[in-house]
Order: sequence, then structure tokens, then C-alpha cells
Amino acid sequence: GAGVSQSPSNKVTEKGKDVELRCDPISGHTALYWYRQSLGQGLEFLIYFQGNSAPDKSGLPSDRFSAERTGGSVSTLTIQRTQQEDSAVYLCASSLMTGGYEQYFGPGTRLTVT
Amino acid sequence: EDQVTQSPEALRLQEGESSSLNCSYTVSGLRGLFWYRQDPGKGPEFLFTLYSAGEEKEKERLKATLTKKESFLHITAPKPEDSATYLCAVQVPTSGTYKYIFGTGTRLKVLA
Repeated sequence: GAGVSQSPSNKVTEKGKDVELRCDPISGHTALYWYRQSLGQGLEFLIYFQGNSAPDKSGLPSDRFSAERTGGSVSTLTIQRTQQEDSAVYLCASSLMTGGYEQYFGPGTRLTVT
Repeated sequence: EDQVTQSPEALRLQEGESSSLNCSYTVSGLRGLFWYRQDPGKGPEFLFTLYSAGEEKEKERLKATLTKKESFLHITAPKPEDSATYLCAVQVPTSGTYKYIFGTGTRLKVLA
């Protein structure tokens, strides 16, 4: 079956512009996660959705970052007024449920802020 | 504070030279420990889940084991195609839900 998909695969934007990153999870997966990975670094947790609600937003780096999930499926991560330090690969993952279930990752969106 | 540490940071092996990667953790309540493989420019690919001390899982040349403090990923007779970054993650309970904590990974290079 289809895996997790993300779009766009690459995004170059100017400092100060807003960007939207999209994640389409595996069908039937109730949990959805966003991570950020900077070059040579580990995965930095951003936010987690269970259904359409976000029990854990603790990883969002600032109020310029927001995310939503609609219909228990597609999620959008929005970064407002982008800064150069926002440049990274943004990864989305989904899992069947929480509590002991593995995550399946998408290919990521590489964001470059110039 | 919950913490996951992977070692070594990088490892170079000759083809056929077996070795082990380590993932040590300090957490309050382990729901599961996960191993992933990440190739350059791609998202992590799930390998194994371990739930309790003493558990072992195998897949081709890889074998994952778990104790109460650490997990090992044993690679037997590796091939160049096993070259990748290997990530471990723990899932722990927090405030009525669960969170994943990832280590920073071990970059493995297998030379032909």
C-alpha cells in the first residue's frame, strides 16, 4: 500500500515569507508526527496528533510554527515569517495508534530559507 | 530527564566484519524501543520494535537485543549495502499520552 507522502519535496523561500508543508499519512493511521532534522543532527520532535487533536505541541520552536490536521488524515505544518535557522528537512511520520506502535516516515521536505 | 545515547557516532567496517551498535537509555517507563535505518536524503525506515528486557528480533544480517538499560544492534557479516545511519528511539509515557525520544544515530560505512 501507499506509504507516507510529503509535499513539496524541496522548498526554497526568502526570509520572512510563510511556507506550508503537507503530510499525507498511511490510510487508517490515527497518530501523526512532525520532526525536524538539521544536517548531521538527530530528529527534533515538533508536534504530535492523535486524530485531529494535538496532545503534545511541546516541540514547536516558536509561535511562528503551527500545525493542523483535518479529517484525521492530511496535516499541514505552517511556518510564518521564515528565518534562516528554519532551514532543515521536515519529516512526517504516522503510526497505527500510539502506545508501542512503530512510526512510518515520509521522505521529508527539504526547506531552504535564503 | 529521559535520555537516549547512541554509540559510536560513526563506524567503518570491512565487508564481513561483524560488529554491534549501542543504544543506551535512561527513561521513566519504557513502552517500546525502536530501531530505524536512514539512508541519505530519505526518511527513516522501520527495522525492529522491542518491548521488554531479554527480547530479541532478527532480520537478515541484523539482530536487535534489549536489556533494562540498553539495546544492541548486531550486524553479522555486513555488506556495503548495509551502509546507513542507524537510529534508535524509545517511547515513554507522558501526561496521559506517549512520546518518542530519538538518539542521534550511528553512521555505519561498510567497505567492500
